[in-house]
Amino acid sequence: DIQMTQSPSSLAASVGDRVTITCRASQSISRYLSWYHHKLGKAPRLLIYAASSLQSGVPSRFSGSGSGTEFTLTINSLQPEDFGTYFCQQSYSTSSFTFGPGTKVDVK
Amino acid sequence: QVTLRESGPVLVRPTETLTLTCTVSGFSLNHAKMGVSWIRQPPGKALEWLAHIFSNDEKFYNTSLKSRLTISEDTSKRQVVLTMTNMDPVDTATYSCARIRWLPNSIPFDYWGQGILVTVSS
Repeated sequence: DIQMTQSPSSLAASVGDRVTITCRASQSISRYLSWYHHKLGKAPRLLIYAASSLQSGVPSRFSGSGSGTEFTLTINSLQPEDFGTYFCQQSYSTSSFTFGPGTKVDVK
Repeated sequence: QVTLRESGPVLVRPTETLTLTCTVSGFSLNHAKMGVSWIRQPPGKALEWLAHIFSNDEKFYNTSLKSRLTISEDTSKRQVVLTMTNMDPVDTATYSCARIRWLPNSIPFDYWGQGILVTVSS
């Protein structure tokens, strides 16, 4: 199975900050990488798919980049509703999808 | 409007079989570019993909849990059912279903249910 790692595991940031989260795959997954935002008690929300495509309705302050084994999610000008956990997910292997362990974004 | 809603028991005993149902609306389970997955998250831990089923009835399972899982669908009822046998306290988790959508260079989960917390305890 393809293993996914994320860094950092947690970070503290302030409203207006630029936040960058990295996701790495144990083997090349081309651009089959999605990013999600999860807040406790709510359903996860798809932010980015195909490494850099913005899901409909997601604010443009979110952006994704990367291909192969290394990917980045960037949040420009963090907003109060952006706190929570972000996780990546690979869909390169259609027989076995895997998630990253998550990055918790807290208030500084 | 696309929605997915999980239903099932919130408490199961060790060794019992868990049966969860995902009822969908707003899309067809027969759509060629879509499918449904089950995913779980133990308290304080990461998400774990369990299984998915595509419109051509192709099914895939988490290799470490494959012997315990069965996924099936009833398109007339708009439901996807997951069964997990021989439940253990370590299987305590929030279980969610999510829609899979085939897109260029990606197969993301674009809609999720709220999830159901299942506790395994005697």
